Amino acid sequence: GESVGLHLPTLSVQEGDNSIINCAYSNSASDYFIWYKQESGKGPQFIIDIRSNMDKRQGQRVTVLLNKTVKHLSLQIAATQPGDSAVYFCAENYAGGTSYGKLTFGQGTILTVHP
Amino acid sequence: DAGVTQSPTHLIKTRGQQVTLRCSPISGHKSVSWYQQVLGQGPQFIFQYYEKEERGRGNFPDRFSARQFPNYSSELNVNALLLGDSALYLCASSLRAGGGDEQFFGPGTRLTVL
Repeated sequence: GESVGLHLPTLSVQEGDNSIINCAYSNSASDYFIWYKQESGKGPQFIIDIRSNMDKRQGQRVTVLLNKTVKHLSLQIAATQPGDSAVYFCAENYAGGTSYGKLTFGQGTILTVHP
Repeated sequence: DAGVTQSPTHLIKTRGQQVTLRCSPISGHKSVSWYQQVLGQGPQFIFQYYEKEERGRGNFPDRFSARQFPNYSSELNVNALLLGDSALYLCASSLRAGGGDEQFFGPGTRLTVL
């Protein structure tokens, strides 16, 4: 069935470094991808999204890259700050499925930023 | 503007009991989705409702049910609780039901089944 997985469950970086979080997805028909940040005791918070007709999208300090050939998604965080410490999830959506808005989440990557 | 709100924040039940969780979407949003997040895992899709109709259902048993009200708020009901139902239940709202619509999550309801 559909699945979205992450290569690295944990990532530790120093403040000011750039962080890269990776994600592999298995449904080649997925056409919408999202990165969420989840802090302890809170719900997932939208970071950035990308549609399948794009391969790169930039936000404030964040960039998402999509490689449809190898079904790979990555989130790049520039100048990582202690406040970026959280669990990061990638999620995918297939608008043509029976559940239009269904998001399929990966396992998550724990990002720890050391001052 | 208020974001997605959920109640209660925490809940403790015993096996076999029934529970009702509530969600109010962002004003103007007509779609509500429910997710279950077990500790250490990503959220798993349970239901999506749009305009009071079920638009999608995940791989959950019939003990799980939901409904959406005319004001677009929603309830998730779980009957005959099992220990494995202990999780964070998340509600997400979006403007429409279509794929590709940004979904905004609430803080969740932490359910503990003893």
